[in-house]
Amino acid sequence: DGGITQSPKYLFRKEGQNVTLSCEQNLNHDAMYWYRQDPGQGLRLIYYSQIVNDFQKGDIAEGYSVSREKKESFPLTVTSAQKNPTAFYLCASSHHDAREDYGYTFGSGTRLTVV
Amino acid sequence: QKEVEQNSGPLSVPEGAIASLNCTYSDRGSQSFFWYRQYSGKSPELIMFIYSNGDKEDGRFTAQLNKASQYVSLLIRDSQPSDSATYLCAVNAGRALTFGSGTRLQVQP
Repeated sequence: DGGITQSPKYLFRKEGQNVTLSCEQNLNHDAMYWYRQDPGQGLRLIYYSQIVNDFQKGDIAEGYSVSREKKESFPLTVTSAQKNPTAFYLCASSHHDAREDYGYTFGSGTRLTVV
Repeated sequence: QKEVEQNSGPLSVPEGAIASLNCTYSDRGSQSFFWYRQYSGKSPELIMFIYSNGDKEDGRFTAQLNKASQYVSLLIRDSQPSDSATYLCAVNAGRALTFGSGTRLQVQP
């Protein structure tokens, strides 16, 4: 079955540590996105990528980095520069075609906690 | 001003009633509009999308769009306790979806 897989489901980060969240899709979608959700809040855009080897900053990119070396994969690294990383991280994908804007498919999310 | 605004709720309705959820957006260039449902601790799932002014119906759900008023709504008929969740409005103005903070719906048995 096609879908988006995020791993791990839960992640604990120590102060000053970098961690990487995995996101893989087999939907043949061109575009992929990373959002962050804090309790009681909506989703805020961190980074997005519309084609391989290209990505753009979203609204809250500081302290995060991404890569898009393969169409299927869009990993997110939370660096030590991100001062408040505790949140629910959601990866999504979509077709990059205005004629096929059927919204995003989301992964099941990674819950990151600073310990 | 937030780009996509929703009343946070909770909106409480009795089982079998119609639930009405509203959303306003600021970017007049927005082209497509989405409603997602999110259960606690889970990821959002797409319920409806709408591109043109007017109503779009799918089962118990109706999405309504008024671009002149920059207003999107979602009606849920015959509300069920299983509809209790947070409903997120999302708008696409060309870059990526911008989400509202969501409205929490509680359907009372």
